[in-house]
Amino acid sequence: DQQVKQNSPSLSVQEGRISILNCDYTNSMFDYFLWYKKYPAEGPTFLISISSIKDKNEDGRFTVFLNKSAKHLSLHIVPSQPGDSAVYFCAASSNSGGSNYKLTFGKGTLLTVNP
Amino acid sequence: DSGVTQTPKHLITATGQRVTLRCSPRSGDLSVYWYQQSLDQGLQFLIHYYNGEERAKGNILERFSAQQFPDLHSELNLSSLELGDSALYFCASSVGLAGSGYNEQFFGPGTRLTVL
Repeated sequence: DQQVKQNSPSLSVQEGRISILNCDYTNSMFDYFLWYKKYPAEGPTFLISISSIKDKNEDGRFTVFLNKSAKHLSLHIVPSQPGDSAVYFCAASSNSGGSNYKLTFGKGTLLTVNP
Repeated sequence: DSGVTQTPKHLITATGQRVTLRCSPRSGDLSVYWYQQSLDQGLQFLIHYYNGEERAKGNILERFSAQQFPDLHSELNLSSLELGDSALYFCASSVGLAGSGYNEQFFGPGTRLTVL
């Protein structure tokens, strides 16, 4: 049972355009969401996060939107740069139980930004 | 560089063997998490330690065990290895745990385990 789904295995965009990566989740107990970027042969790197009490969080070129009613979040990258080419993982966490922040990951979306 | 170190980077071994993967968290971080990434799966949570104590278990096999030492480094022990255990194993650390405000997890570079 995949609780966090990234339905697009890959996405290709032109440099300077907007990249939109999508993520859906099924567990309504999730209350914190994160995006990680991963280059080959490296560990995931934290990018941006959002709490379930917000619907938007912005950090430079990166904005995450959360639609709780649709159980959907998206990551917008504007403008996209070739260095953004990587696998992007959506992750979610639940604070219920109050003892653990384990992350549940999607399978990732490979973003390719073409010069 | 996340500040989380993992050794070794690569490990090749045979079925039935036992290996130990090591993780040193970022300075000041008390929580250590282990994740497994197989070819056809995303990152799967294995186990969480906080300040030396096991806090949660995920999809961790009984053949696998872990511990966190007083200096806060952690080891993941994999025994009776099978071909299907071949994967990338990541360690992540964060400052604390629930109740102290959410802490982002910072990942190490991973250990690639190949079981032949």
